[in-house]
Amino acid sequence: DAKTTQPPSMDCAEGRAANLPCNHSTISGNEYVYWYRQIHSQGPQYIIHGLKNNETNEMASLIITEDRKSSTLILPHATLRDTAVYYCIVRGYSTLTFGKGTMLLVSP
Amino acid sequence: DTAVSQTPKYLVTQMGNDKSIKCEQNLGHDTMYWYKQDSKKFLKIMFSYNNKELIINETVPNRFSPKSPDKAHLNLHINSLELGDSAVYFCASSQEVWSGNEQFFGPGTRLTVL
Repeated sequence: DAKTTQPPSMDCAEGRAANLPCNHSTISGNEYVYWYRQIHSQGPQYIIHGLKNNETNEMASLIITEDRKSSTLILPHATLRDTAVYYCIVRGYSTLTFGKGTMLLVSP
Repeated sequence: DTAVSQTPKYLVTQMGNDKSIKCEQNLGHDTMYWYKQDSKKFLKIMFSYNNKELIINETVPNRFSPKSPDKAHLNLHINSLELGDSAVYFCASSQEVWSGNEQFFGPGTRLTVL
């Protein structure tokens, strides 16, 4: 699976949009981009995934660049409960491989 | 109702003991997994079962033996526990094994080996 690069940490003010970037320059054609998050002491939680089109669900939006080498997870109105480690994972016909992720801290 | 449940939530034991962690999912999924998250917070897959059959074993020591009595359960038995086994163990499930399917994780079992 292609590797991903994420910033180790980010800050966001409550109520503002949180934009979490992810680079995956070696992604191949059949690999999806997945986002999970892990709130402290809990199991990881699925957020969203996509192949090449932008995706939106009740939790977030996923913007994938046209060349698919990078993506951005958008939490439109971050709340304190969104404080977590966010994992960007590129996955084909294989298992999920979690990296270090981005620690997002949402502050009042 | 909890989708993926694990018991116990905490497990403290002595080196050399044998212990089991149980996992159940009520989502009707065909595939279940065990992950280990160590003290550095790296989350790594250990096993995956699809329809009670082992399909992934990520070079886990033989002391770890998963058992799947049915599709809804995947238990993890650990023999001769070592200090390095201390970690949080997460169970997960998904409809299918491969891409396009989200995985649902349990709350985790924190294992401490003294």
